[in-house]
Amino acid sequence: GAGVSQSPSNKVTEKGKDVELRCDPISGHTALYWYRQSLGQGLEFLIYFQGNSAPDKSGLPSDRFSAERTGGSVSTLTIQRTQQEDSAVYLCASSLGHNTEAFFGQGTRLTVV
Amino acid sequence: QKEVEQNSGPLSVPEGAIASLNCTYSDRGSQSFFWYRQYSGKSPELIMFIYSNGDKEDGRFTAQLNKASQYVSLLIRDSQPSDSATYLCAVYTGGFKTIFGAGTRLFVKA
Repeated sequence: GAGVSQSPSNKVTEKGKDVELRCDPISGHTALYWYRQSLGQGLEFLIYFQGNSAPDKSGLPSDRFSAERTGGSVSTLTIQRTQQEDSAVYLCASSLGHNTEAFFGQGTRLTVV
Repeated sequence: QKEVEQNSGPLSVPEGAIASLNCTYSDRGSQSFFWYRQYSGKSPELIMFIYSNGDKEDGRFTAQLNKASQYVSLLIRDSQPSDSATYLCAVYTGGFKTIFGAGTRLFVKA
């Protein structure tokens, strides 16, 4: 595709359920980021994938959060046993390398009720 | 200390004025610096990047970098109401990842 694609665009889930968010980066981009943005707040770094290197998971807020990137392309962010404080917009971004412009998807708005 | 700090604002300027947005960062090994603009309900989009000390100009925008002071700024000349948005400073750190500041909300009054 022409840009970074995220799905679903909106997700409402019940507290305690697991959710999976998907990111399809721009073809050829080796770097992929996940960020979280709560209402009116800045971007909170979650996890970073660069090529075949081990991901930087230092931003994941708890062990309920995990992410993988298959074949160096599509990434999924999984949140287990969702809590209300997980409600936010989850943004995925990709870039050609580790030091270049990041292109963002439109985000997944997650609401935990 | 946060890795990337910005004044959350809001910063309000009249139309036609210069808007000055500031950002400081903690990692002296940081290599690249980006300014993104985010309209309400939209995703961030890049407006400027700067790698070297000094000024970089692009149209009405000027990015300024001072690595010794660990400071980067964005100047918007002849501000327009359409410039009203949140401006996010992003830093590619020595830890090899891009960290964003919390953003500064800018309002340009017509």
